[in-house]
Amino acid sequence: DTAVSQTPKYLVTQMGNDKSIKCEQNLGHDTMYWYKQDSKKFLKIMFSYNNKELIINETVPNRFSPKSPDKAHLNLHINSLELGDSAVYFCASSQGRSGETQYFGPGTRLLVL
Amino acid sequence: AQTVTQSQPEMSVQEAETVTLSCTYDTSESNYYLFWYKQPPSRQMILVIRQEAYKQQNATENRFSVNFQKAAKSFSLKISDSQLGDTAMYFCAFRNAGNMLTFGGGTRLMVKP
Repeated sequence: DTAVSQTPKYLVTQMGNDKSIKCEQNLGHDTMYWYKQDSKKFLKIMFSYNNKELIINETVPNRFSPKSPDKAHLNLHINSLELGDSAVYFCASSQGRSGETQYFGPGTRLLVL
Repeated sequence: AQTVTQSQPEMSVQEAETVTLSCTYDTSESNYYLFWYKQPPSRQMILVIRQEAYKQQNATENRFSVNFQKAAKSFSLKISDSQLGDTAMYFCAFRNAGNMLTFGGGTRLMVKP
């Protein structure tokens, strides 16, 4: 069984479109995250949710809106896609908010044309 | 804010030999956690090893071990008996009590046959 899964794995779209990436974890964790990995492989946290509540919101354009329908799911919706949004987006989860290991999904490669 | 620095963008090692990847970090906190993640060409982020800052003993996981020097804020990863499957990007990461996971820029490791 996949612990942290993301769909889709690849996403190619045009500038200006709106797209969503879904994330689900079956580890029973209560905290989930979204990270962005740019073309230089640099990884940076975007959001963190604990029990469906937003607890970290880094400097991310408000075109990015996370949604957590329950603690096993954290989806990422992106409006008005721009070329600079092209990246790999990783979902992760952990138990608790302090120190526990984060487990990552396989990543979603987004290409905006 | 925390920063994590990996000073070696690329490294190579012969199969069966030992290699050490460097990582330094900057923080004013006393309670934190350090991690090494591996990202093979498959893109999956895989936890290699974890160290709690309050523990003086260096963490080990089979062929992987760390040299944690808290005063020097150094956290290097040693891979013994390198295998071809160790070829990957390696990321050092710092996690504070506030749940933020900050990554270094990564080291690309090539294991040569």
